[in-house]
Amino acid sequence: GQSLEQPSEVTAVEGAIVQINCTYQTSGFYGLSWYQQHDGGAPTFLSYNALDGLEETGRFSSFLSRSDSYGYLLLQELQMKDSASYFCAVSNTGKLIFGQGTTLQVKP
Amino acid sequence: DAGVIQSPRHEVTEMGQEVTLRCKPISGHNSLFWYRQTMMRGLELLIYFNNNVPIDDSGMPEDRFSAKMPNASFSTLKIQPSEPRDSAVYFCASLAVNTEAFFGQGTRLTVV
Repeated sequence: GQSLEQPSEVTAVEGAIVQINCTYQTSGFYGLSWYQQHDGGAPTFLSYNALDGLEETGRFSSFLSRSDSYGYLLLQELQMKDSASYFCAVSNTGKLIFGQGTTLQVKP
Repeated sequence: DAGVIQSPRHEVTEMGQEVTLRCKPISGHNSLFWYRQTMMRGLELLIYFNNNVPIDDSGMPEDRFSAKMPNASFSTLKIQPSEPRDSAVYFCASLAVNTEAFFGQGTRLTVV
């Protein structure tokens, strides 16, 4: 089977940097994705890592270590609009399995 | 493209009734996923299709749930009979390659 673990909640202040970790157990691993979901909305894609290392997209970066079955999402220069839930997801032989999500609260 | 389209957006039904949720994936995407989201269980994968063929339905909770994809542009998720514990938001998502999945806006189902 597959399992993913990520913190349930994170709080940070505007302008700060926050890191959301994700550890996973799966067979047939293809890659690790990150999605953002605002209250009442649908998950939207943020980033994807198939290989080890850091991927940067604007204020957001994502890291993967396949040997450690670990990844993280780094959010810089936090803004109030970044308050949302963040999900890591593993791609596994065609399936896309999501973690339980991390609720990020950004405070002024 | 208009993105993944789901209907209805909201559905309120009485226990025991049949419910059908619909999804139109993005044209050209060959994988389609149905997810259920609740506070307690998060985003659960119910079933996924590849090239219209059901590949893995191990997440379907029980025989009351069924899903079909008769062609590349349409899929349904049916619950018969519905129960209050089926109340959740149901998402459909499609993807072309093994990277970015696009989600529909979801169907909020309430079974009373």
